[in-house]
Amino acid sequence: EPEVTQTPSHQVTQMGQEVILRCVPISNHLYFYWYRQILGQKVEFLVSFYNNEISEKSEIFDDQFSVERPDGSNFTLKIRSTKLEDSAMYFCASTRDRTFYTFGSGTRLTVV
Amino acid sequence: DQQVKQNSPSLSVQEGRISILNCDYTNSMFDYFLWYKKYPAEGPTFLISISSIKDKNEDGRFTVFLNKSAKHLSLHIVPSQPGDSAVYFCAAGDNQGGKLIFGQGTELSVKP
Repeated sequence: EPEVTQTPSHQVTQMGQEVILRCVPISNHLYFYWYRQILGQKVEFLVSFYNNEISEKSEIFDDQFSVERPDGSNFTLKIRSTKLEDSAMYFCASTRDRTFYTFGSGTRLTVV
Repeated sequence: DQQVKQNSPSLSVQEGRISILNCDYTNSMFDYFLWYKKYPAEGPTFLISISSIKDKNEDGRFTVFLNKSAKHLSLHIVPSQPGDSAVYFCAAGDNQGGKLIFGQGTELSVKP
């Protein structure tokens, strides 16, 4: 069964550093998403990406965040200057038709 | 902004009995709904979905019921098995942007 692959599985970074979280969505999917889950809280939408541009973003997704699909297969989330409160599980998801979504296994980001 | 609510943070059920997980939503623009199962440190795993044009969808032991007038959906698991123990999230989406709004999750514990 096709999978969404995320790397790394765990990233520890110092406050103020830049991090890039990587995702390889399912190859024939068209819509791509980043979500996050802070420990003990609900899964929250960050950003959606379609046709090589952001289609929607939440208020969490401020200027410190950016997304890219640099080569037609990878989908990355960059946090420019990490804060302690960015510590969370980050999930990438993709879908072909916005009815069935596949999630990756997540990257646990720890900001120290 | 709690557009999707799961009011029971936990549920404990005996093996072989029925598990019923509930979810309420407020946004009448949602037109499809999904249930995900999540283990710690893993991504959400899709279980079952339902479109707003239906009131029931069944897949093996899992059945989702949708009551649009009450803005309520439920997931029934029959019979429950210990391997079903996990956190269950309901999520809702609309055909506009495709993002999913998640509930807070219900932790199901199925006891042998």
